[in-house]
Amino acid sequence: DSGVTQTPKHLITATGQRVTLRCSPRSGDLSVYWYQQSLDQGLQFLIQYYNGEERAKGNILERFSAQQFPDLHSELNLSSLELGDSALYFCASSAGSSGNTIYFGEGSWLTVV
Amino acid sequence: GIQVEQSPPDLILQEGANSTLRCNFSDSVNNLQWFHQNPWGQLINLFYIPSGTKQNGRLSATTVATERYSLLYISSSQTTDSGVYFCAVYGSNYKLTFGKGTLLTVNP
Repeated sequence: DSGVTQTPKHLITATGQRVTLRCSPRSGDLSVYWYQQSLDQGLQFLIQYYNGEERAKGNILERFSAQQFPDLHSELNLSSLELGDSALYFCASSAGSSGNTIYFGEGSWLTVV
Repeated sequence: GIQVEQSPPDLILQEGANSTLRCNFSDSVNNLQWFHQNPWGQLINLFYIPSGTKQNGRLSATTVATERYSLLYISSSQTTDSGVYFCAVYGSNYKLTFGKGTLLTVNP
């Protein structure tokens, strides 16, 4: 158990819908990262927050947004969902903003039908 | 951005065999980690190893930062070692970039 908690574990939704994925980092960790893993794109970095502020941005679509709350949990919002958004979404956390060990949650499996 | 290349892409072993997985990266890094993704999709930390050598049971890893590569050694492989092994590096762009992974299959 990495200590990073993600919910829900599985989600099936229709095209055009909106979903929210939730992540609680390890106790004491200030950074939260979101990754998308699909068969054709591999593990893609989406975005990082550090202590509530956006720290780095990767290949995150405009239809997607994220935030980190004062209690350090984070949410990833995916809207206007398309079939191609079906993927495994990981949250990860680390103590600092860079250069620390990063721990991954078990992921949220999203299927868009 | 930083490029991460892993080799081989696929590896099939008999139980008990040893193997070496390689990770090359294109720029200096602040962090290098090895992960194992099991058949259920979980990403499990194996090593945090920006430089030097570490060992954990049958697994060990070596990173030569000046030459921009890292090696993961698996000895006496077991069927439970099957899965995808990822190398990920954290460069100056503050992004943890993953390689495409090595798919390891260990047959009984």
